[in-house]
Amino acid sequence: AQRVTQPEKLLSVFKGAPVELKCNYSYSGSPELFWYVQYSRQRLQLLLRHISRESIKGFTADLNKGETSFHLKKPFAQEEDSAMYYCALKEGGSNYKLTFGKGTLLTVNP
Amino acid sequence: GAGVSQTPSNKVTEKGKYVELRCDPISGHTALYWYRQSLGQGPEFLIYFQGTGAADDSGLPNDRFFAVRPEGSVSTLKIQRTERGDSAVYLCASSLWALQETQYFGPGTRLLVL
Repeated sequence: AQRVTQPEKLLSVFKGAPVELKCNYSYSGSPELFWYVQYSRQRLQLLLRHISRESIKGFTADLNKGETSFHLKKPFAQEEDSAMYYCALKEGGSNYKLTFGKGTLLTVNP
Repeated sequence: GAGVSQTPSNKVTEKGKYVELRCDPISGHTALYWYRQSLGQGPEFLIYFQGTGAADDSGLPNDRFFAVRPEGSVSTLKIQRTERGDSAVYLCASSLWALQETQYFGPGTRLLVL
């Protein structure tokens, strides 16, 4: 069965510092990987997906199949980036089911 | 436009009672999903509807849980004989189609079983 691991429950950085939220997965096939974000008192929303290879709000994530990782990175963190971040996996092909990690709470201090 | 809505936002019930949680997906979205998020955990898949039918209910924890979507739009998650372990946030999501499509989440219903 597939599994998503986010090793850090909490991550605290200062404004302007680089940030990296780690995500590792276990899945034997070709997965789709996603990052979802939940800001305070808001609903869960998609931040980015690996197949789009895009940068959203300055965040990027690269799928590393060799290391089975999909770490989320931003070179200069902003206070408004403070939120709960979830890494999620969808089995490749026709599967629709998202498997989420437990999440990392990012706090960006002024 | 309006996003996914869920009612009620909070529900407190007593052990053994029956509860219904409602989800209104984004208009025109054919796929609908229910997830459950326990404290300190990420969302866990419960069930997926494509149109009116439950295409995959493999995530439902036991037969006390049941969900319907009779007209292919609104869905109701039903929990019989609630237990304290059912306490969680129940999330609903919808997407235009199931495959290769972004899932849009509702605000969730926070269920507390006393």
